Amino acid sequence: EVQLVESGGGLVQPGGSLRLSCAASGFTFSDHYMDWVRQAPGKGLEWVGRTRNKADSYTTQYAASVKGRFTISREDSKNSLYLQMNSLKTEDTAVYYCARIYSSASWYFDYWGQGTLVTVSS
Amino acid sequence: QPVLTQPPSSSASPGESARLTCTLPSDINVGSYDIYWYQQKPGSPPRYLLYYYSDSRKGQGSGVPSRFSGSKDASANTGILLISGLQSEDEADYYCMIWPNHVGVFGGGTKLAVL
Repeated sequence: EVQLVESGGGLVQPGGSLRLSCAASGFTFSDHYMDWVRQAPGKGLEWVGRTRNKADSYTTQYAASVKGRFTISREDSKNSLYLQMNSLKTEDTAVYYCARIYSSASWYFDYWGQGTLVTVSS
Repeated sequence: QPVLTQPPSSSASPGESARLTCTLPSDINVGSYDIYWYQQKPGSPPRYLLYYYSDSRKGQGSGVPSRFSGSKDASANTGILLISGLQSEDEADYYCMIWPNHVGVFGGGTKLAVL
């Protein structure tokens, strides 16, 4: 069974940093692109960014709203995905989901974690 | 970053059909994109429903009933999710998504009420 479990959320002050983790199981993690998607309270979904797989050189891509502040990385040996968030703003408050991309040829999210809440507030 | 426009809300009765739209900005041609659709119920992560590019290139999510289908209206530059035979369990938020220049863009979502 495919499982994605996020952790690391919490309360952080504006300007602070936080690192989220996503533990994957039940599939060959190294084969898949992995993304982060967030959802502010009561709002819609926002794509945050992606790390591709080893075959595609682990390249990353980010939404304009987080580029330069957030960094996505992965550790295939630990089946883990990470989101390093720096210079946090109040508007970064959201539930952060990690999501698996079905395949490099078909970019839909077939599995999602349950999400972890990040609150940026003083 | 382009904006995909979805009506904030829609409603229909059980057994009827719901037509949810996702309008692309004028500088992005709907004919050039796969349109992905997700369903989200309160307190749960989104669920992939389907994607639609054309009648010959489309895909249904695992376990998604065939009463969920996609289409496009090129004249309106719009992607469409059609839900036929509405059931109470279809009450949810629905999001469209595209990938312009390898960057993910979601629509604002439509809250569908099944009255």
